[in-house]
Amino acid sequence: TQLLEQSPQFLSIQEGENLTVYCNSSSVFSSLQWYRQEPGEGPVLLVTVVTGGEVKKLKRLTFQFGDARKDSSLHITAAQPGDTGLYLCAGEEASGTYKYIFGTGTRLKVLA
Amino acid sequence: DTEVTQTPKHLVMGMTNKKSLKCEQHMGHRAMYWYKQKAKKPPELMFVYSYEKLSINESVPSRFSPECPNSSLLNLHLHALQPEDSALYLCASSPEGPGPRGTEAFFGQGTRLTVV
Repeated sequence: TQLLEQSPQFLSIQEGENLTVYCNSSSVFSSLQWYRQEPGEGPVLLVTVVTGGEVKKLKRLTFQFGDARKDSSLHITAAQPGDTGLYLCAGEEASGTYKYIFGTGTRLKVLA
Repeated sequence: DTEVTQTPKHLVMGMTNKKSLKCEQHMGHRAMYWYKQKAKKPPELMFVYSYEKLSINESVPSRFSPECPNSSLLNLHLHALQPEDSALYLCASSPEGPGPRGTEAFFGQGTRLTVV
């Protein structure tokens, strides 16, 4: 079973600080998605990364896919209280299976 | 339109009740999923339907029974649940097309289930 390990598990920072969340696996993924989830709501898709080494930007969020497609990172610049939430990476456990699994999650709290 | 609609939003049921959760999408997606999420944990995969056929059952107890009446609808029938089954139940769909974007999943808002 492929596992997606995220670190850190919890992060509490002040508004304006930068942070990076990591998503690591021992297996290769054809693509990874990142989601943000707020309490009591469903996860919302932020981005899909596909190509090894790919970097995607979404406003203050920068996503990177590792060269070997086994890991990914999410960097937030100048965090704001609205960034608070649970960040999840996700991917298909084995290509073509549609066994779509989530990482262990990173709970972010940004203090005003 | 990237909307997945789940009903009801909240459900309280007794251990002897039978109830159903419903999920609907009109994006033409061919894969639909049920996940269970406990507090402060990531979603756990329960079932996957691909082209209206059950393709994955993650060893879910039989008191949970999925159904896919057509390509837009997904139900989860509940019977004789236990209090530990209380959780947020999430439905999702993905295109299931060629290429990696076929697995991009779009989620509903979930049904908060409480078993008493």
